[in-house]
Amino acid sequence: EAQVTQNPRYLITVTGKKLTVTCSQNMNHEYMSWYRQDPGLGLRQIYYSMNVEVTDKGDVPEGYKVSRKEKRNFPLILESPSPNQTSLYFCASSAQLGGRPYAFFGQGTRLTVV
Amino acid sequence: GQQVMQIPQYQHVQEGEDFTTYCNSSTTLSNIQWYKQRPGGHPVFLIQLVKSGEVKKQKRLTFQFGEAKKNSSLHITATQTTDVGTYFCAGLDKLIFGTGTRLQVFP
Repeated sequence: EAQVTQNPRYLITVTGKKLTVTCSQNMNHEYMSWYRQDPGLGLRQIYYSMNVEVTDKGDVPEGYKVSRKEKRNFPLILESPSPNQTSLYFCASSAQLGGRPYAFFGQGTRLTVV
Repeated sequence: GQQVMQIPQYQHVQEGEDFTTYCNSSTTLSNIQWYKQRPGGHPVFLIQLVKSGEVKKQKRLTFQFGEAKKNSSLHITATQTTDVGTYFCAGLDKLIFGTGTRLQVFP
């Protein structure tokens, strides 16, 4: 089954404790992206990756890191989480439709930083 | 940078009423996509529009792409409780999403 898998689904952590949210897709997609969703702000792009070893900043990259060492994996790293990073996070990979990408989303990770 | 705004932010309707959400971009879009996110779920792709003035229908949903390719709309005829959720538009090949419209339908 084609899917994007995020782990963990829920996480409560303390300020400053490094954490990683994993994202894996089994569709051989080149494009992957991370979003955070906050009430009234929609889906804001954090980082995206066009291919292995190619990553770029989205609209809200501060406080986050990513890596793309393999095509299927695109982990999101919070080196020193702060309470303002409490949010719902989605990973997405992109398929092509008519030559243009559209997104498959993971189930989401609800992160709380206290 | 490129921005995609949606209005309204929230909409409450009585079941059977129509609903429309509008998507506006600060720049011309090569295509526009619409996604639906059910409460507690993740966004799911609905449709893609590419041509200027294009109109597509999916049952009670009608999607339209503006002539200038800077705006789009989603219209739902005779809403049902199953339509509840947040509707997002997305533009450009970087998949920049709009702010979303949350629809609540009262039976």
